[in-house]
Amino acid sequence: AQSVTQLDSQVPVFEEAPVELRCNYSSSVSVYLFWYVQYPNQGLQLLLKYLSGSTLVKGINGFEAEFNKSQTSFHLRKPSVHISDTAEYFCAVSEMGTGNQFYFGTGTSLTVIP
Amino acid sequence: EPEVTQTPSHQVTQMGQEVILRCVPISNHLYFYWYRQILGQKVEFLVSFYNNEISEKSEIFDDQFSVERPDGSNFTLKIRSTKLEDSAMYFCASSDTPAGPQYFGPGTRLLVL
Repeated sequence: AQSVTQLDSQVPVFEEAPVELRCNYSSSVSVYLFWYVQYPNQGLQLLLKYLSGSTLVKGINGFEAEFNKSQTSFHLRKPSVHISDTAEYFCAVSEMGTGNQFYFGTGTSLTVIP
Repeated sequence: EPEVTQTPSHQVTQMGQEVILRCVPISNHLYFYWYRQILGQKVEFLVSFYNNEISEKSEIFDDQFSVERPDGSNFTLKIRSTKLEDSAMYFCASSDTPAGPQYFGPGTRLLVL
């Protein structure tokens, strides 16, 4: 069965420090992978996506993620965070060829401390 | 930049009443979706819609739910007889390919009393 795990529910980090938000998934078929960000009282905004090709993908706001097929992971990273990065981050997965619904993780709340 | 819009932003209703949540997807997109997020929980898939019919739905999407594309721009979610547990944030999304990124609206916060 398809599942997405975000092990860290809350991640506090100081401003200008690096951060990694973890995402692991399970699936019996190949997948497409996404990260979304949700600012308070707003909708989900696409940060980045992996569909094919290079396993290192770059997104908006200086974020990047690396697809690791052997570890079934798609961790999100940023080398230096800003106060404005404080938000909820969701990892999402869709399965190739089996429909196009997204499966979401439970989210990671990133808090950047001044 | 084109975006998905949703109305209303907030809706309060009495248990048993019907509600219609409205969405305007991005204009050249052909695939439409509804998700919901109960407070403090993950975003859950409800239904996907393509070519004027449902292509996939979850267990949550029971007979109380229906979707419609009444014209060339709107995509609606109807809940016929709301229950307390329907209280959630409802997100509409659209995409231009079946497996590509989905673009989400800002959501409608539904509160059933």
